[in-house]
Amino acid sequence: DTEVTQTPKHLVMGMTNKKSLKCEQHMGHRAMYWYKQKAKKPPELMFVYSYEKLSINESVPSRFSPECPNSSLLNLHLHALQPEDSALYLCASSQGGTGFNEQFFGPGTRLTVL
Amino acid sequence: GQSLEQPSEVTAVEGAIVQINCTYQTSGFYGLSWYQQHDGGAPTFLSYNALDGLEETGRFSSFLSRSDSYGYLLLQELQMKDSASYFCAVRDTGRRALTFGSGTRLQVQP
Repeated sequence: DTEVTQTPKHLVMGMTNKKSLKCEQHMGHRAMYWYKQKAKKPPELMFVYSYEKLSINESVPSRFSPECPNSSLLNLHLHALQPEDSALYLCASSQGGTGFNEQFFGPGTRLTVL
Repeated sequence: GQSLEQPSEVTAVEGAIVQINCTYQTSGFYGLSWYQQHDGGAPTFLSYNALDGLEETGRFSSFLSRSDSYGYLLLQELQMKDSASYFCAVRDTGRRALTFGSGTRLQVQP
């Protein structure tokens, strides 16, 4: 299984809602990532988990809260988002060592905040 | 920090060869990667260069010159399906993450 899955594919939420994005991989990868991507822009790193511990937080606002329940799962909890948070949210995973350069991306969740 | 520069757009015809350049500035260096992303799709890994020289994978090749902080992606025998955005990405030593360039949008015309 060389796939990263993400649910849901699309999400529309109001600014007062709480929702969660889910990501799963069964490749045995020990690094997992959340990216945010706006149209015609590169993926922008948000968080990195390495061996289920948060290793990088790119100064992301606290309305985004990541969670790594186990080595296969990654969640992104959303609360009190702003319309400018509307974007494609991508999850990725990779092996350690030189494998950090080869990341496998999920199809993304397209988020719209009203 | 890191910064990468690549052209914003390139246009070529089917069957042609195109080269997408990437220059980078990093405080450390641990390899240059290339990713392809079709509209509406997710980025997919194409290649990785840690050492100077050319890496070939089918119609795609990637080159790195660490002394010049420069690399390129070479696409041969272009096909319409190669129309996509291409991102170079670098990893700093000691940092378990990639920084992506702004992307080059390749349009292949018939």
